[in-house]
Amino acid sequence: GQNIDQPTEMTATEGAIVQINCTYQTSGFNGLFWYQQHAGEAPTFLSYNVLDGLEEKGRFSSFLSRSKGYSYLLLKELQMKDSASYLCAVMGNDYKLSFGAGTTVTVRA
Amino acid sequence: IAGITQAPTSQILAAGRRMTLRCTQDMRHNAMYWYRQDLGLGLRLIHYSNTAGTTGKGEVPDGYSVSRANTDDFPLTLASAVPSQTSVYFCASSRGEFDTQYFGPGTRLTVL
Repeated sequence: GQNIDQPTEMTATEGAIVQINCTYQTSGFNGLFWYQQHAGEAPTFLSYNVLDGLEEKGRFSSFLSRSKGYSYLLLKELQMKDSASYLCAVMGNDYKLSFGAGTTVTVRA
Repeated sequence: IAGITQAPTSQILAAGRRMTLRCTQDMRHNAMYWYRQDLGLGLRLIHYSNTAGTTGKGEVPDGYSVSRANTDDFPLTLASAVPSQTSVYFCASSRGEFDTQYFGPGTRLTVL
């Protein structure tokens, strides 16, 4: 089976940095995805990692360590609009995504 | 149409009734998926289709059926709805089965 763990909630201040961790144990590995989901809306794609290391996209970065079964999403210079749920998803040997339950990030002024 | 559309946006349904959720994409993606999202459980795959004419079962397929007659459409049918099927349903598509998935706006379904 697939097991993907991420914290349920995180709170941070506007302008700060927040790191959302994701650990996984899955049947095979063909990449890890991060999605952002605002309340009542669809998930939107943020990043994809398949090799170890850091991928940077503007204020958002994602890191992967395959040997440790670990990833994190780093959100820098937090803005109020970053308040959302962040979903970690792993693509297994069957090329299907298994999702974590999501981390709700609240940005305070 | 741009991207993925789903209909209806929301629906309240009596238990035992039949319901079809519609999903259409205009990106000419080969693969399409149906997920349900429940509080605390995250997104779970119901059914998928890697290409028109083929379908497969996901993690939670019981009580649901799908068809893929053409590239653009991927309807999800609940033959006889039960209260445990109350959920938010998302359709997604990807160019190929190993590519990034893009999600539709969702259908909020309540079964009473």
